[in-house]
Amino acid sequence: GAGVSQSPSNKVTEKGKDVELRCDPISGHTALYWYRQRLGQGLEFLIYFQGNSAPDKSGLPSDRFSAERTGESVSTLTIQRTQQEDSAVYLCASSLDRGMGPQHFGDGTRLSIL
Amino acid sequence: RKEVEQDPGPFNVPEGATVAFNCTYSNSASQSFFWYRQDCRKEPKLLMSVYSSGNEDGRFTAQLNRASQYISLLIRDSKLSDSATYLCVVTTTSGTYKYIFGTGTRLKVLA
Repeated sequence: GAGVSQSPSNKVTEKGKDVELRCDPISGHTALYWYRQRLGQGLEFLIYFQGNSAPDKSGLPSDRFSAERTGESVSTLTIQRTQQEDSAVYLCASSLDRGMGPQHFGDGTRLSIL
Repeated sequence: RKEVEQDPGPFNVPEGATVAFNCTYSNSASQSFFWYRQDCRKEPKLLMSVYSSGNEDGRFTAQLNRASQYISLLIRDSKLSDSATYLCVVTTTSGTYKYIFGTGTRLKVLA
């Protein structure tokens, strides 16, 4: 596809369960970013991948959050033992390279923890 | 001081009005600048990049003032469909490379 693809679009799960969110970046984009956006608030940076370099994990809020990316392809964001405060929209973005041009966002995954 | 600051608004303007937003940034070494638009419960979408000489795209004009460290967005002949939150984005290399997002300025265009 032409754009950033995220799945699932919506996820409802019970507190304490693990969830896995997926992001498929634009083909050729080496940089990939995950953000969290709570209702009515701004974007909160979580993690950044650039090619095969070590990811910048400085935004991950706790050790329940982790993310992986193989090469320049799909990334998964995993939240273990979900809590109600994890409820948010999780947005993925990609860009050509680190700082090369704008980021392009996927539609996001709306996560609701019951 | 936040790295990127925006007036949260809301700016309530009538249809056809001209409205301008500013965004200030703190890192003088910031390299690239963008305006995004975010509709309610949607993802941010790129509106336009901001170039040093200023640039225009239809009713939208973006300016960069490096000396005073701000960027601006001007919207002429506002439409109801322009109602959204406008996010300012600045790239910086303070230690690691990042896109820094402002918290956005909310615009409401009224009939």
